[in-house]
Amino acid sequence: DVKVTQSSRYLVKRTGEKVFLECVQDMDHENMFWYRQDPGLGLRLIYFSYDVKMKEKGDIPEGYSVSREKKERFSLILESASTNQTSMYLCASTRHIEGQPQHFGDGTRLSIL
Amino acid sequence: RKEVEQDPGPFNVPEGATVAFNCTYSNSASQSFFWYRQDCRKEPKLLMSVYSSGNEDGRFTAQLNRASQYISLLIRDSKLSDSATYLCVVNTNAGKSTFGDGTTLTVKP
Repeated sequence: DVKVTQSSRYLVKRTGEKVFLECVQDMDHENMFWYRQDPGLGLRLIYFSYDVKMKEKGDIPEGYSVSREKKERFSLILESASTNQTSMYLCASTRHIEGQPQHFGDGTRLSIL
Repeated sequence: RKEVEQDPGPFNVPEGATVAFNCTYSNSASQSFFWYRQDCRKEPKLLMSVYSSGNEDGRFTAQLNRASQYISLLIRDSKLSDSATYLCVVNTNAGKSTFGDGTTLTVKP
């Protein structure tokens, strides 16, 4: 079974803090993704990566950055957290092969006060 | 217009009912299709892939109509445990998915 592990289930931070969300997968997947999910807005793609040191912007990259130094790890960084970044953050991974579904971590519920 | 659109829902059905969800997608280059299930405050989990010939997994049947760019999910003999949000997912490029906003199902005793 694919295992995608996110570092925290719940996190509370203050406005202006730099926040790191970590995601690790154990299946040697090439592709990794960060989403946020808010009521009424569905899943929105923030950033994704097809390989080590590669990153591409998703639909809502503003206020975020990412890092992929190792194949198994994909980090999401909130450079200066703001209250509108309070959300559920979901990491996913998949093989870079057509027909493969994404596998999600448990999610991190982040609150910015 | 959204790339993937689902029935607005919510669907409230009694136990034992048959319920169908529909989903349309706008990109004719889409190559693979999935249904996910998401429980409240949990992550989405793969329910089943959707194949051109249609496929079945127990009480669940998925259909794909490429000409109409339409996907469906049929749940027979609904159980209380089927209550969840069902997400329609479409892949256009290898590994990159577009998610519908989901349809909420509540199965009542």
